[in-house]
Amino acid sequence: EAEVAQSPRYKITEKSQAVAFWCDPISGHATLYWYRQILGQGPELLVQFQDESVVDDSQLPKDRFSAERLKGVDSTLKIQPAELGDSAMYLCASSLEPEDTFSGTDTQYFGPGTRLTVL
Amino acid sequence: AQRVTQPEKLLSVFKGAPVELKCNYSYSGSPELFWYVQYSRQRLQLLLRHISRESIKGFTADLNKGETSFHLKKPFAQEEDSAMYYCALSGQDTGNQFYFGTGTSLTVIP
Repeated sequence: EAEVAQSPRYKITEKSQAVAFWCDPISGHATLYWYRQILGQGPELLVQFQDESVVDDSQLPKDRFSAERLKGVDSTLKIQPAELGDSAMYLCASSLEPEDTFSGTDTQYFGPGTRLTVL
Repeated sequence: AQRVTQPEKLLSVFKGAPVELKCNYSYSGSPELFWYVQYSRQRLQLLLRHISRESIKGFTADLNKGETSFHLKKPFAQEEDSAMYYCALSGQDTGNQFYFGTGTSLTVIP
């Protein structure tokens, strides 16, 4: 069964360093999401791609975070410089291009996440 | 603003007892509601969505627009139901962006 892949699974870094996370969505899924989940909270959307285009990045702290999906397949999320408050689980999810059958959303499939600890 | 509220962080029930996980939402348009579940050491996955009107693993959830609720229910809890449950909301007014609640950790006591 196809799954969303993420790497690394764990990352420990010092503040002010740069970190990068990688996500490989399920083949054929045009929509890709990056979420941040702080301990004790639900996932919060950071950025959403439709193919290689950003659909929504309103919650992405653009002064330090960047995301790209150059060929519309895999994606990279970068933080530079990392801050203590960035410690969290970073989740990637993908879905088929939304159908307009119901309300336009489609099931999201999540990766295992990357747990970031900033010291 | 679109918000999802799950008032219970922790919920414990005995095996065989009924269980209800509460979810209330605030949304100006016509929402689509979901329940996601995360079992221990597994990925977050979709449990059910209101538009499908399905029963998954014995769970059901009814959208009550009057009370703006989407509570998850199961008449007889099983030990394997122990997990983290997240209610989520989406809709055209949000650009189909997902908003998750803070989650409820369900423990089914043998």
